[in-house]
Amino acid sequence: NAGVMQNPRHLVRRRGQEARLRCSPMKGHSHVYWYRQLPEEGLKFMVYLQKENIIDESGMPKERFSAEFPKEGPSILRIQQVVRGDSAAYFCASLGVLDSPLHFGNGTRLTVT
Amino acid sequence: RKEVEQDPGPFNVPEGATVAFNCTYSNSASQSFFWYRQDCRKEPKLLMSVYSSGNEDGRFTAQLNRASQYISLLIRDSKLSDSATYLCVVTRDDKIIFGKGTRLHILP
Repeated sequence: NAGVMQNPRHLVRRRGQEARLRCSPMKGHSHVYWYRQLPEEGLKFMVYLQKENIIDESGMPKERFSAEFPKEGPSILRIQQVVRGDSAAYFCASLGVLDSPLHFGNGTRLTVT
Repeated sequence: RKEVEQDPGPFNVPEGATVAFNCTYSNSASQSFFWYRQDCRKEPKLLMSVYSSGNEDGRFTAQLNRASQYISLLIRDSKLSDSATYLCVVTRDDKIIFGKGTRLHILP
């Protein structure tokens, strides 16, 4: 049973480009969470999705960031017109039922040059 | 007041010693509790779930005190490999709230 798969592991983008981060949850998991972590800081919640629905996006910046979890395929976190401040590790996590532990992917490290 | 609070540390502890740290939570409706560990530049990994009755996994013991609204983690006979950041996690409905973590350095 494969774990949470994130790709790419590392992503380099120039300022103004778009970044697309993918996350395939564990098999049978329908809840997906995205977190951002800046160096030497804690995990910051961004968005919680279920299939085809955004349940809580209270942690998402109002502009340039969007997320989806389509009926088929991975969850995508999209950052348009990236800026240097977007450089961070982005972690995706999934769970099968509420109140069970989250399982994390390896993360995508985004560097904006 | 933050919903989940942890002492950021760092805790510098000699190898073989026992170390304990707590995490407090503010919402009495919180339902489930977990400890995760995170190594530098890696993803968080589940260490153990936390129950009111207390639970033990080898050298690690976790305890939940609902009356005082805190959870604790005790590490006995600490190893160099225990050096990491320990994250307290609290859930309430579909919300999963992470503490900022406690940094632990085990000294040889």
